[in-house]
Amino acid sequence: TQLLEQSPQFLSIQEGENLTVYCNSSSVFSSLQWYRQEPGEGPVLLVTVVTGGEVKKLKRLTFQFGDARKDSSLHITAAQPGDTGLYLCAAAERAGGTSYGKLTFGQGTILTVHP
Amino acid sequence: KAGVTQTPRYLIKTRGQQVTLSCSPISGHRSVSWYQQTPGQGLQFLFEYFSETQRNKGNFPGRFSGRQFSNSRSEMNVSTLELGDSALYLCASSTGLRPNEQFFGPGTRLTVL
Repeated sequence: TQLLEQSPQFLSIQEGENLTVYCNSSSVFSSLQWYRQEPGEGPVLLVTVVTGGEVKKLKRLTFQFGDARKDSSLHITAAQPGDTGLYLCAAAERAGGTSYGKLTFGQGTILTVHP
Repeated sequence: KAGVTQTPRYLIKTRGQQVTLSCSPISGHRSVSWYQQTPGQGLQFLFEYFSETQRNKGNFPGRFSGRQFSNSRSEMNVSTLELGDSALYLCASSTGLRPNEQFFGPGTRLTVL
């Protein structure tokens, strides 16, 4: 059973458009991370959100953690070709749990931004 | 600060053989986690070592094993390789403390023929 549902799986847009990627679960997590991965490389950490309702901004990227800490979203404003890649959400331990050495990943969103 | 390094970057093996992959974490990090990434299953957790002890384990057969040394470097071993073991194996380094931010190496691409 997939613990984290990420949508959409694929996104193909033109440069300048906005987009949102969603990461949903029925479980409550103590924290959630977003990564970006390019072909042949390991994922690169973009942001960690910890507090319910938290919003973090990284240049044109806005990350939000749901109030109930069950879901998160990544919004990109005015996408650029350099944003192309695989975006992954990953949850650390469930709230109150002890498995903090493990991340559970969503299936990922493959984003392609055309010039 | 040097990042996470993994060796080798590419490996080709045949069924039945065994393989050892190596990971050097970021200096000061005591936790090393291993993940398998395939197109069909995505990123799946294998195990995590913290201060030389396996602290967490995923749902993989016993053919997959690992260890961590006193300098935090870690190795992962896969015995009796199967075709389905072909994947990108990723190592991640962290402090081991909440909120468990993990920093990944470039991975080892294993192909089993």
